[in-house]
Amino acid sequence: GQNIDQPTEMTATEGAIVQINCTYQTSGFNGLFWYQQHAGEAPTFLSYNVLDGLEEKGRFSSFLSRSKGYSYLLLKELQMKDSASYLCATLNSGGYQKVTFGTGTKLQVIP
Amino acid sequence: EAGVTQFPSHSVIEKGQTVTLRCDPISGHDNLYWYRRVMGKEIKFLLHFVKESKQDESGMPNNRFLAERTGGTYSTLKVQPAELEDSGVYFCASRQGNTGELFFGEGSRLTVL
Repeated sequence: GQNIDQPTEMTATEGAIVQINCTYQTSGFNGLFWYQQHAGEAPTFLSYNVLDGLEEKGRFSSFLSRSKGYSYLLLKELQMKDSASYLCATLNSGGYQKVTFGTGTKLQVIP
Repeated sequence: EAGVTQFPSHSVIEKGQTVTLRCDPISGHDNLYWYRRVMGKEIKFLLHFVKESKQDESGMPNNRFLAERTGGTYSTLKVQPAELEDSGVYFCASRQGNTGELFFGEGSRLTVL
């Protein structure tokens, strides 16, 4: 099965940098997603990592270490609109692939 | 191109009633997923269709839930009879092939009174 852990809540200051960690244990691993979800809205795709290393996309970067079962999402130059839940999700490699979500990290950006 | 659409956006029913949620995936996406988010908890997997076939329904809570995807296009999720604990937001997502991101619908919020 899959087990995904991420912090429940985080607070950071506008303009700062925040790192949201995600650890996972899965019986078959074929990649990791990060999604952003604002309250009352659908999750929206941020990143997908399948190889080790850092992927940068504008103010957002995502890192993966397959050997450690660890990922993080890095948000730079925080803006108030970045206040949202950030969901880590693993993609398993068995058959037709299942995507399993963690509980999400609720990030609050303060002035 | 239209995204994933879900209907209704919000449904309020009484315990014991029946509700049917509908999802129209992005055209051409063979993979269709149903998820549920209960207040304060994770987005929990319910089931996964590949075309019209149920690939994995391990997340379906019990036999009060029935999902169908006739013809491999849109899908319905019926809850009958509804219980209080079924309240939550039901998300549908679709995906093309075995790679790439899931595209989510806006969700159907179900409130059972």
